[in-house]
Amino acid sequence: LAKTTQPISMDSYEGQEVNITCSHNNIATNDYITWYQQFPSQGPRFIIQGYKTKVTNEVASLFIPADRKSSTLSLPRVSLSDTAVYYCLVGFDGGATNKLIFGTGTLLAVQP
Amino acid sequence: DVKVTQSSRYLVKRTGEKVFLECVQDMDHENMFWYRQDPGLGLRLIYFSYDVKMKEKGDIPEGYSVSREKKERFSLILESASTNQTSMYLCASSFTYANRGEQFFGPGTRLTVL
Repeated sequence: LAKTTQPISMDSYEGQEVNITCSHNNIATNDYITWYQQFPSQGPRFIIQGYKTKVTNEVASLFIPADRKSSTLSLPRVSLSDTAVYYCLVGFDGGATNKLIFGTGTLLAVQP
Repeated sequence: DVKVTQSSRYLVKRTGEKVFLECVQDMDHENMFWYRQDPGLGLRLIYFSYDVKMKEKGDIPEGYSVSREKKERFSLILESASTNQTSMYLCASSFTYANRGEQFFGPGTRLTVL
């Protein structure tokens, strides 16, 4: 069964590191894992993408264990403006072509 | 910057009307997508297109059709709108099929069907 699971919500304070995990047991062997950020009344925005191990860019890090059954988005030193919904996007084996499925999203609330 | 534009931010239609949602991208992307987003259900793929005149069904294609006559434009059609199609509709594009996970989204169209 192709499914991604994320926590519904998380709370944090400014300056803390936040880790959001997505579980994807049946991920396709040849597809990437991608994370998005979405603010109210806007479309999702690409944050980071990886295939395995660790990827880092100017805004986040992505940790992917060897079995690739989960991934963790890490946001260093969050600020109030990081309050948003975060989605993982994962490919599952769909036969001729892989199916991309979004997680149901994690609402991150950052407080002062 | 990639820009994905959608024809309307808000739309109100009546049950049974034919509805067209238009999406245009300006970066020569091969792939284009239509999603709907509902509270508690996240983003669900309706259709995607990996080339002009090519389309594939997503998870929830029933009640929808699409058209891609030009590379930059992808239209979503509700042949006979129903109240259960009230939703936020999001269009996205990506450069190639291999990199289709990196998608650029439009601002969305909030459709209300009365």
